[in-house]
Amino acid sequence: ETGVTQSPTHLIKTRGQQVTLRCSSQSGHNTVSWYQQALGQGPQFIFQYYREEENGRGNFPPRFSGLQFPNYSSELNVNALELDDSALYLCASSLMGPQETQYFGPGTRLLVL
Amino acid sequence: AQSVSQHNHHVILSEAASLELGCNYSYGGTVNLFWYVQYPGQHLQLLLKYFSGDPLVKGIKGFEAEFIKSKFSFNLRKPSVQWSDTAEYFCAVNGGNSGNTPLVFGKGTRLSVIA
Repeated sequence: ETGVTQSPTHLIKTRGQQVTLRCSSQSGHNTVSWYQQALGQGPQFIFQYYREEENGRGNFPPRFSGLQFPNYSSELNVNALELDDSALYLCASSLMGPQETQYFGPGTRLLVL
Repeated sequence: AQSVSQHNHHVILSEAASLELGCNYSYGGTVNLFWYVQYPGQHLQLLLKYFSGDPLVKGIKGFEAEFIKSKFSFNLRKPSVQWSDTAEYFCAVNGGNSGNTPLVFGKGTRLSVIA
């Protein structure tokens, strides 16, 4: 086990709704990255947070937003849900540095109807 | 553009067969390379990683991978697979110069090991 936890494990929403996913980092880690894994694909980078600031963003629209809290836990918020947002959302925690490993949580599976 | 290519979408092997999964990457500069495994119903787990030094790295459960810089490759190998190796395998790369850059993943290779 990595010590990275995510909640909820599964979620069903309808188009247009908003969703908040949560991640608790491994103890001692100050960086959290979020990824989207569509069915049959590898994870794709959404954004990264370091010391409560966004530290890089992938090719995702602004309706994907996030937060990192002083205890390094994190949230991913998605507004105006679309059908294509259905995916497994993964959170990875790590330290900040050029040779660090990202450790993944179990993910939240989101289904948008 | 940064990318990772995994050549095999689905590999089916009998127990005790040898395994080699291909991974090629396109990424400028110094790289870190990773193999992650996703067992059925479980989360992504680190199998092995390369940062620098000896290009032949050994991971958990008897897996190893070789970084060949001239070929931009990081192939995963195991001499004798077991039924419990059935899983999805992902190759990933990020920059090794500064910060903690995002991982770029391949599409994955599904390994099915049959008795």
